[in-house]
Amino acid sequence: AQSVAQPEDQVNVAEGNPLTVKCTYSVSGNPYLFWYVQYPNRGLQFLLKYITGDNLVKGSYGFEAEFNKSQTSFHLKKPSALVSDSALYFCAVRGSGGYQKVTFGTGTKLQVIP
Amino acid sequence: GAVVSQHPSWVICKSGTSVKIECRSLDFQATTMFWYRQFPKQSLMLMATSNEGSKATYEQGVEKDKFLINHASLTLSTLTVTSAHPEDSSFYICSARDSRERGNQPQHFGDGTRLSIL
Repeated sequence: AQSVAQPEDQVNVAEGNPLTVKCTYSVSGNPYLFWYVQYPNRGLQFLLKYITGDNLVKGSYGFEAEFNKSQTSFHLKKPSALVSDSALYFCAVRGSGGYQKVTFGTGTKLQVIP
Repeated sequence: GAVVSQHPSWVICKSGTSVKIECRSLDFQATTMFWYRQFPKQSLMLMATSNEGSKATYEQGVEKDKFLINHASLTLSTLTVTSAHPEDSSFYICSARDSRERGNQPQHFGDGTRLSIL
């Protein structure tokens, strides 16, 4: 069975500082990896994905993520955090073989402090 | 971009009432839609996969007769919470997969429905 772990319930970072939101995964075969962001009382918005190719993926709003196969990780990063980045972030994984469901992590609340 | 409209965004009703939530793909066709339930400060729990023209596939532990799903067209799926009780209060989110896109593409999410049962 596939799984996603987001070890931190909450991450606090000062505005202007770099941020990292951690994600590790377990899946059979090659993974499809996604990051989504959720603002209060809203659905999820897609940020970025890794399918294949370059391990460093760039996405919306200046976010990027690095796929590390040996560590089975896909951490979300941003060089300089904004207060408006404060939200709930979800990592998700899907196996590449045939039709498979997407599994979401438990989410990490990012709090950017002015 | 692909837009998913979910309606209503907020529902407050009495215990015993049935509530219908609609999920529409506005600018694409979706043979597959997903219904999730999200508890406070928790992740999304997949309830069921809605397939156009066929019966929905429910996840283990989800009552089919309690949460009725209908996917009658390529752009509309509905979730009906029958005889709702306070424990059904939650945030329900739908998502849709564009039929033209490959399976490695992200899902497109609605903005969710906050259901409160008194």
